[in-house]
Amino acid sequence: NAGVMQNPRHLVRRRGQEARLRCSPMKGHSHVYWYRQLPEEGLKFMVYLQKENIIDESGMPKERFSAEFPKEGPSILRIQQVVRGDSAAYFCASSPESRGYTFGSGTRLTVV
Amino acid sequence: AQRVTQPEKLLSVFKGAPVELKCNYSYSGSPELFWYVQYSRQRLQLLLRHISRESIKGFTADLNKGETSFHLKKPFAQEEDSAMYYCALSSEYGNKLVFGAGTILRVKS
Repeated sequence: NAGVMQNPRHLVRRRGQEARLRCSPMKGHSHVYWYRQLPEEGLKFMVYLQKENIIDESGMPKERFSAEFPKEGPSILRIQQVVRGDSAAYFCASSPESRGYTFGSGTRLTVV
Repeated sequence: AQRVTQPEKLLSVFKGAPVELKCNYSYSGSPELFWYVQYSRQRLQLLLRHISRESIKGFTADLNKGETSFHLKKPFAQEEDSAMYYCALSSEYGNKLVFGAGTILRVKS
C-alpha cells in the first residue's frame, strides 16, 4: 500500500493561471480531506469529501476554489485564477471511516 | 469556536533533558485531541491520540479538561526527536481537525 499519494510535489503557476492538485487516497479509504498550510501557520481545514460527494466545505474560500472526488480516479483540488496569496502547502489526508487520518506528503504551490 | 494554541514556535533542549510541548485548546464539548509529528522531509504522522492513552517513542500526553490542555511530554529527549510537532483537535461531531501552529523541537547533543 503506497499510502496517500499527492502530485505534483511542487507546482509553480503564474498569477491568473489554474492550479490542479491531485490526491490518491490509500487503498480502501473512501474519505478524503484537504488542508492548507500558509507560511508560519498551522494546517487549516478546507474540505471533506467522500466518493462523489462533498460532505463539509466550510473551510473552502468562496471563490476560485473547488474540489471533487469522482467515482474513479483521484481527488482534485482546483484553484482558478491563482493569486500570490494562494502560495502554500496543500495537504491531503484519507481515512477508511470517520477517524484515523493518513496524510500525504503535500503539494507546495508557488504563485509567481 | 474551536481553537488550538501552541505557545512556543521553537523549543530547544539538550539530549537527555525532559521535554514538554504545550498545547491548549478551546472547545465547549468533548473533543478528541491528537499530536502529529513531521520529521524533516517526511509527511505528517499521527503520534498520539488521547483516547488511546498510549506511549509512543517515549512520548505521553494527558488530556486535562480543567485546564483545557494536552501537553506532550518525554522524560529524556533524543536527537531523533527533532521535528515539527502539531497539536490538533476534532469535535465529537465532525471529521475535520483543527491544528495549532506547531512547535519545532530541536534536541542538541
